Amino acid sequence: EAGVAQSPRYKIIEKRQSVAFWCNPISGHATLYWYQQILGQGPKLLIQFQNNGVVDDSQLPKDRFSAERLKGVDSTLKIQPAKLEDSAVYLCASSLGQGDFNYGYTFGSGTRLTVV
Amino acid sequence: GNSVTQMEGPVTLSEEAFLTINCTYTATGYPSLFWYVQYPGEGLQLLLKATKADDKGSNKGFEATYRKETTSFHLEKGSVQVSDSAVYFCALNDYKLSFGAGTTVTVRA
Repeated sequence: EAGVAQSPRYKIIEKRQSVAFWCNPISGHATLYWYQQILGQGPKLLIQFQNNGVVDDSQLPKDRFSAERLKGVDSTLKIQPAKLEDSAVYLCASSLGQGDFNYGYTFGSGTRLTVV
Repeated sequence: GNSVTQMEGPVTLSEEAFLTINCTYTATGYPSLFWYVQYPGEGLQLLLKATKADDKGSNKGFEATYRKETTSFHLEKGSVQVSDSAVYFCALNDYKLSFGAGTTVTVRA
């Protein structure tokens, strides 16, 4: 089966600019996650969608970050305006359902963002 | 809240050496436990998992046993190869997947 697709692979922007990342999950996966992985740290969950509804966005800096999942499939994560500390790899993952705690998620290759 | 603590790296080994990466967790319930691996330039891949106490997960020569009494899920491999060089993440899932900080492993020929 096709994996989780993300684009772009790399992005370099200046601080205060805006940027958007795109994710296409595995077909049929109802739950989609965005994680932020800062260099040298483990991934941190930013937002979780179940179909096109938000389940958990408690760690999302809502003053600058936004995310949507239209029609319960693709998702975009946006940062506006970007700060230097937003430099990280942004990972998208998907899973069959919210309650499948026994299964790991499938991750995309990520988007490496550098803010200068 | 729930959390995962991994041994700090980096870890450098010679080929065919024994590898152990310690992982302990704090959780209010009975989470599933996972090890993920991230090879250079690649995304996170599920390495192995265990869903209940005393379960042993295994894959590619790696093993980890879910120990509820010590709240641990240590990763082991008896004989590492250069191709095992990667960052390894311990994770738990009760209502969401939470990761440790990762341990960088470098295997020298």
